[in-house]
Parts: sequence; structure tokens; C-alpha cells
Amino acid sequence: DIVLTQSPGTLSLSPGERATLSCRASQSVSTTSLAWYQQKPGQAPRLLIYGASNRPTGIPDRFGGSGSGTDFTLTISRLEPEDFAVYFCQQYGNSPRTFGQGTKVEIK
Amino acid sequence: QVQLQESGPGLVKPSETLSLTCTVSGGSISNSYWSWIRQSPGQGLEWIGYIYYTVSTKYNPSLKSRATIAVDTSKNQFSLRLTSVTAADTAVYYCARIRWVQSPNDAFDIWGQGTMVTVSS
Repeated sequence: DIVLTQSPGTLSLSPGERATLSCRASQSVSTTSLAWYQQKPGQAPRLLIYGASNRPTGIPDRFGGSGSGTDFTLTISRLEPEDFAVYFCQQYGNSPRTFGQGTKVEIK
Repeated sequence: QVQLQESGPGLVKPSETLSLTCTVSGGSISNSYWSWIRQSPGQGLEWIGYIYYTVSTKYNPSLKSRATIAVDTSKNQFSLRLTSVTAADTAVYYCARIRWVQSPNDAFDIWGQGTMVTVSS
């Protein structure tokens, strides 16, 4: 199985600041088959990024994804109050699909 | 737009079978790949498996063949059966749609709200 390790575990930032979240895979993720999700308490995850860098319709452009191979990054350019949540990465190029353990972005 | 809703018992006894249903509204179940995913505090998010129409299924080997996913096209629903449950199967269970209609190798773009299942006697 591909193990996804996210860092940091918790990111304490203020609204307006830039957030940089990392996701490292234990082996290369095929054809940039990596997604990022946002999850708020009591809610299902929401897809933010697919294909490492593509945003679905309706996702604000302050969310950006990059990377390939084993190292991927989610960047939130300027944090809005609604962005404080937990973020997960997930790979879907290999079976079984696997998720990272999550990074919590909290208000400083 | 497509919406998903999970339903099923919230409490299952150890060694029994967990059965959940996901109802698809706003679209046809025949046009996409569908998955079950669960989330527990100890295990995080875990992919259980996917199904396409009645044609193909794939499961996470970690479940040791205990999981079965099926489609009921007449009701626009798909289901999950998980046999021989233990306390380790206690989790929030989500159904989800795989984004690309032509391949299972894509992200989960639509999720149900999730249903909590507790395994306890």
C-alpha cells in the first residue's frame, strides 16, 4: 500500500496568512493521481483538488495544488475564516486507494 | 445535481453483518463508479471498495473479503455488506461518487453526509 504522510500535523495561522501543507508518498504516485479534501467537524470531506493541481468547479482559486512523484503540496494563498478545517490528501492511482492522516489548520 | 444519502442501522452486534444503503438522487446510478469509505478516530479515512454498474467491483484487501458492494438499478441505490464485524469496524461510513465516469482512477467528488455505525453487544 502507498502510505501518505502529511505534515505538519497542525498549522496555527491567522486569517489572511498563507498556508502550505505537505503530503509525501511512500512510493511514486502514478500520473499525478493525487487529491486534496477539506473536512469540517460533523461534515463529509469536500474535494478541493484532483490530478494534483486541478480545481473542481466552485472551488476558490486561493486553493492551489502542486507536485508530482512522491511530494505534493496544497497551498491556501490567503486564509479565509471558513478555511480553518482539516485537510487530507489521497492517492487514487494505485490500489488500494489511501489517505493521509490529515493536517489541521487552526486559528492562531 | 447528484446527491447521496446513506441509511442503515446505527448499532450492530459483534460477529454480525453490517448492511448500509446509499440512495443516489439527481442522476443515474448506471453512469458512474461508486465507493464506500469509512472514517474512525483510530484508522483515519479508509477506502472500502468501489462498484461500476453491475459490471465490476474492487475491494480493499485489508477487509479480508468481508465486504460486498452491490447495485440495485431499479431503486438507484448501491449497498455495502460487511460480515463478521468487530469493534474495529466502528466508524462513520460514507458513500461517494468517483469523479470520472470512464475510470475508477479518480477522486471522490460527491459524498454522502455519512452514517455512524457502532459495533457493540
